[in-house]
Amino acid sequence: GQNIDQPTEMTATEGAIVQINCTYQTSGFNGLFWYQQHAGEAPTFLSYNVLDGLEEKGRFSSFLSRSKGYSYLLLKELQMKDSASYLCAVRDVDSNYQLIWGAGTKLIIKP
Amino acid sequence: EAGVTQFPSHSVIEKGQTVTLRCDPISGHDNLYWYRRVMGKEIKFLLHFVKESKQDESGMPNNRFLAERTGGTYSTLKVQPAELEDSGVYFCASSSKRFGEGNNEQFFGPGTRLTVL
Repeated sequence: GQNIDQPTEMTATEGAIVQINCTYQTSGFNGLFWYQQHAGEAPTFLSYNVLDGLEEKGRFSSFLSRSKGYSYLLLKELQMKDSASYLCAVRDVDSNYQLIWGAGTKLIIKP
Repeated sequence: EAGVTQFPSHSVIEKGQTVTLRCDPISGHDNLYWYRRVMGKEIKFLLHFVKESKQDESGMPNNRFLAERTGGTYSTLKVQPAELEDSGVYFCASSSKRFGEGNNEQFFGPGTRLTVL
């Protein structure tokens, strides 16, 4: 079946680095997305990976290994405003290219 | 550029009543998606429009849910009659790119929180 797993909650310290992992099992992988969602707000796009490797965008980087069914989102120089839920989603050919979502990782930043 | 808007932000109704949710996508975005998130669980796909046509409605739970996008602009999602398990946050998203095309970033609205009592 199709499944996306990510930790429920993580805590990190302001100024530090945190890595949020996502593992997936889908039949027709066609790209992986990371979204950020602050409480009560709309999810906003962070990154997209379709080939293996690291994509860097400012303080945020996303990595993909298709052979391992694994991705991570790396957040550097953490700021208090980074406290949010981080959602991993996989686009699946066998689901009409629709997104299959993980339940999200709630990241708590402490001073 | 205005983002995706949804109305209402909150709705509390009794079981058996009807509720209609509205989504206004970003102007010019042909692709419009409806999603639902039940508390504590993952976002689930409901429906995808390309312009006024339903491209994929495989995620619609049952025939109590009806989505329309007349004229290919805004969309409505009607739940009739509502049941307790319909409670959740209903998100709308839009995209300018084809659904299978590269980085087809989706822009989300703030959601409508539906509570069925």
